Amino acid sequence: EVQLVESGGGLVQPGRSLRLSCTASGFPFGDYAMTWVRQAPGKGLEWVAFIKRKMYGGTPQYAASVEGRFAISRDDSKSIAYLQMNSLDAEDTAVYYCARWPGDAFDFWGQGTMVTVSS
Amino acid sequence: SALTQPASVSGSPGQSITISCTGTTSDVGSYNLVSWYQHHPGKAPKFIIFDVNKRPSGVSNRFSGSKSGNTATLTISGLQAEDEADYYCCSYAGSDNFVLFGGGTKLTVL
Repeated sequence: EVQLVESGGGLVQPGRSLRLSCTASGFPFGDYAMTWVRQAPGKGLEWVAFIKRKMYGGTPQYAASVEGRFAISRDDSKSIAYLQMNSLDAEDTAVYYCARWPGDAFDFWGQGTMVTVSS
Repeated sequence: SALTQPASVSGSPGQSITISCTGTTSDVGSYNLVSWYQHHPGKAPKFIIFDVNKRPSGVSNRFSGSKSGNTATLTISGLQAEDEADYYCCSYAGSDNFVLFGGGTKLTVL
């Protein structure tokens, strides 16, 4: 059974950093691109970051709203994807979901982890 | 910018509803990589349509998708109470932009 479990969320002050983790199981992690998608309170889904399979260079890509502040990475030996979030501000407050991208859709999602940016 | 969806739709049990998703020639109109997600608040989103009109294994055939030009459409037939949820469309938007989501549509089953 495919499972994605996010962790690392919490309350953080503006300007500080936080690292989220997405632990995967039930599938060959290295064979898939992975993504982070967020949902701010009362808002819709927003794609945040994407990382290709190592076979394709493991190249990251970011939404304009987080470019230069967030960094996605992956450890295929541990089946974990990370999202390092720096210079956080109130607009980053959201539930952050990890999702698998087989090439044409987000086919499996985690339950999400809440990130609250507030002083 | 986000794909355009109606904010809300409603229908009675047993009826059919449609949810539109309008993009541009740079996303919906250029790629047959439109997907749809059902999201019950507090739960993980669930993908119900991919590649415009394909259903993942285990998804009811009451859900169907289509596309014409820059607009994709999700149809839910035989509405059931458990269909009440938020629905999001998503389209691949090219290698520079990756994907765009719609703003979401709240479905109310009356």
